[in-house]
Amino acid sequence: EPEVTQTPSHQVTQMGQEVILRCVPISNHLYFYWYRQILGQKVEFLVSFYNNEISEKSEIFDDQFSVERPDGSNFTLKIRSTKLEDSAMYFCASNPTGVGANVLTFGAGSRLTVL
Amino acid sequence: AQSVTQLGSHVSVSEGALVLLRCNYSSSVPPYLFWYVQYPNQGLQLLLKYTTGATLVKGINGFEAEFKKSETSFHLTKPSAHMSDAAEYFCAVSIMNRDDKIIFGKGTRLHILP
Repeated sequence: EPEVTQTPSHQVTQMGQEVILRCVPISNHLYFYWYRQILGQKVEFLVSFYNNEISEKSEIFDDQFSVERPDGSNFTLKIRSTKLEDSAMYFCASNPTGVGANVLTFGAGSRLTVL
Repeated sequence: AQSVTQLGSHVSVSEGALVLLRCNYSSSVPPYLFWYVQYPNQGLQLLLKYTTGATLVKGINGFEAEFKKSETSFHLTKPSAHMSDAAEYFCAVSIMNRDDKIIFGKGTRLHILP
């Protein structure tokens, strides 16, 4: 069964450093998403991406965050200058068409620890 | 804007007992509703979804949920709990919009007692 792949599974970084989290969505999917889950809290929507541009973003997704689809397969989330409160599990998801009752398929997540 | 409320951050049931995890939603338009499960140190896995049609939806691992519009609820049930059901369960809502973004509830951790 096709799956969404995320790397790294766990990254530890110093506060102020840049971090790039990578995702390989399912190959024929067109809509891509990033969610995050701070330890013990709910899964929060960050951003959706379609046709090489951001479709929607939440209040959490400030100027420190950016997303990119640099080639035909990868979808990345960059945090320019990490803060302690960025420590969380980050989930990537993809969706075939983005309209209708399609189900997002999630990756296993990338755990980011900011020291 | 749509939202979901999950009652009870922790629920404990005995093995073999009924599992009931509560979810209420808020949406100004007919919603799509989902239950996702997260096993320890793993990602989010879809249990079941409601879109249109039959209001009782069956999912994987013996779980089912019933959409009740009058109560704005989508509670998750399983007749007989198994030890392997111990996990975090998230109710989620979506509407037919431009990008199918879904909004999650805060989650309910299910503990199974031997």
